Amino acid sequence: GDSVTQTEGQVTVSESKSLIINCTYSATSIAYPNLFWYVRYPGEGLQLLLKVITAGQKGSSRGFEATYNKETTSFHLQKASVQESDSAVYYCALRPNSGTYQRFGTGTKLQVVP
Amino acid sequence: EAAVTQSPRNKVAVTGGKVTLSCNQTNNHNNMYWYRQDTGHGLRLIHYSYGAGSTEKGDIPDGYKASRPSQENFSLILELATPSQTSVYFCASGDANWGGGQDTQYFGPGTRLLVL
Repeated sequence: GDSVTQTEGQVTVSESKSLIINCTYSATSIAYPNLFWYVRYPGEGLQLLLKVITAGQKGSSRGFEATYNKETTSFHLQKASVQESDSAVYYCALRPNSGTYQRFGTGTKLQVVP
Repeated sequence: EAAVTQSPRNKVAVTGGKVTLSCNQTNNHNNMYWYRQDTGHGLRLIHYSYGAGSTEKGDIPDGYKASRPSQENFSLILELATPSQTSVYFCASGDANWGGGQDTQYFGPGTRLLVL
C-alpha cells in the first residue's frame, strides 16, 4: 500500500546550522501522490508546513523547503539555518489522489541547541 | 481562534469502561478524521467521515466507533476501553473532494488517553 518512511526518530542540530530531514515514499495506488510536511510544536496539534502536488516542484515555507523527486521517490525537508524556535516534531505525509485520507510517517523530532 | 478543538485534553479511564472523545471544527469542512499517535508508528487513521451522518473505517478501526451527528462534530467512542488504546488521539478536518488534487488537514491539539 501507500506509505511514507522517515528514518530518523530524532535529530539534534546546533543553532544556525543546516538541516535535512529525510522522507521517502511508496505509492502503489497512484504514481504521483500529493506530498506534505506537517509540524507539531509542543502542546499543539499538527499544522501544515508545506505541500507539493506536482512532481519536480519545490515547496517552501518559513525558511524550510522540500523538493518532490519522483526519480528517488523522496521529499526531504531542508533548512539552511535553523533556530531554537524550529524545535518540534516534523511529519512527512502522502495523499493518494484516489482518496481523501493521508498517510503519515513516524515523525522526526528536531532539537535545536544553542 | 482555534478552528479544531478536542475535549477532553486528558483522560484517565479504566479497562472495560466507555470513553468518548469529542471533536468540534469551525472550518465548515466536509471531511473529518480521527488518528492515534504512538511512538514508532506515526499517525494512524482510525475513522473518518465525509459529512454529517457518514462514518468510514480507516486503517485501524477495531475497538473504536465513530459518530458524526453534524458538520461540526465528530466523536470517537471506545465502548470497552483496553490498555492497548492508551495513546494520543488527534482529530482533523479537511475539505478534499474525492478524486481532487489537494487536501490540507487541520488538526486539533490532541487528547492524551490513559487506560488503566
